[in-house]
Amino acid sequence: SQQGEEDPQALSIQEGENATMNCSYKTSINNLQWYRQNSGRGLVHLILIRSNEREKHSGRLRVTLDTSKKSSSLLITASRAADTASYFCATDLNQAGTALIFGKGTTLSVSS
Amino acid sequence: NAGVMQNPRHLVRRRGQEARLRCSPMKGHSHVYWYRQLPEEGLKFMVYLQKENIIDESGMPKERFSAEFPKEGPSILRIQQVVRGDSAAYFCASSRRGGEEKLFFGSGTQLSVL
Repeated sequence: SQQGEEDPQALSIQEGENATMNCSYKTSINNLQWYRQNSGRGLVHLILIRSNEREKHSGRLRVTLDTSKKSSSLLITASRAADTASYFCATDLNQAGTALIFGKGTTLSVSS
Repeated sequence: NAGVMQNPRHLVRRRGQEARLRCSPMKGHSHVYWYRQLPEEGLKFMVYLQKENIIDESGMPKERFSAEFPKEGPSILRIQQVVRGDSAAYFCASSRRGGEEKLFFGSGTQLSVL
């Protein structure tokens, strides 16, 4: 079953613009993670935010977490063509021994 | 330090054959996860293993699919009597510890069933 759901499903922007992707989840979590997948490749971890954190930054990435709304957002600032990829949020189920559950992802296209 | 290694990269099988997918986790990682991805879909969790133990197989189909992670050697995802619906990309990930750790992914095995 899907735990996280991203929106939008697809996003097209110009280089230099900001891209915002959202993720909603259903159950309580210990942390939420964002991953990136280039076409035909495995996923690469971008950033992890814990349930007691509200915002986290890493380079051009900014992640927020609102546990009351069970939602998170990923902001990529000053996007580049190389940011073109699919982005997935992943959550645990706040239970020992469980694996990460991924959403269906947002496909980001950045044109130059 | 090599990353997560999956092989083969591409695997073609005819209906009814067996498919064996291998995954060597990163050095020092004892937790392995298998996910399946269909085109335009996210990753669907299949199974979570530690050395010689299956921790969670709630995402594995009840029939034809099995997974192992022996004391020595890679983790194996085995699909018996493959059907066309098994065609997908299968990704393996590993972590040093379970639970809250971030995952390191391999490049996947693309299984095509003819």
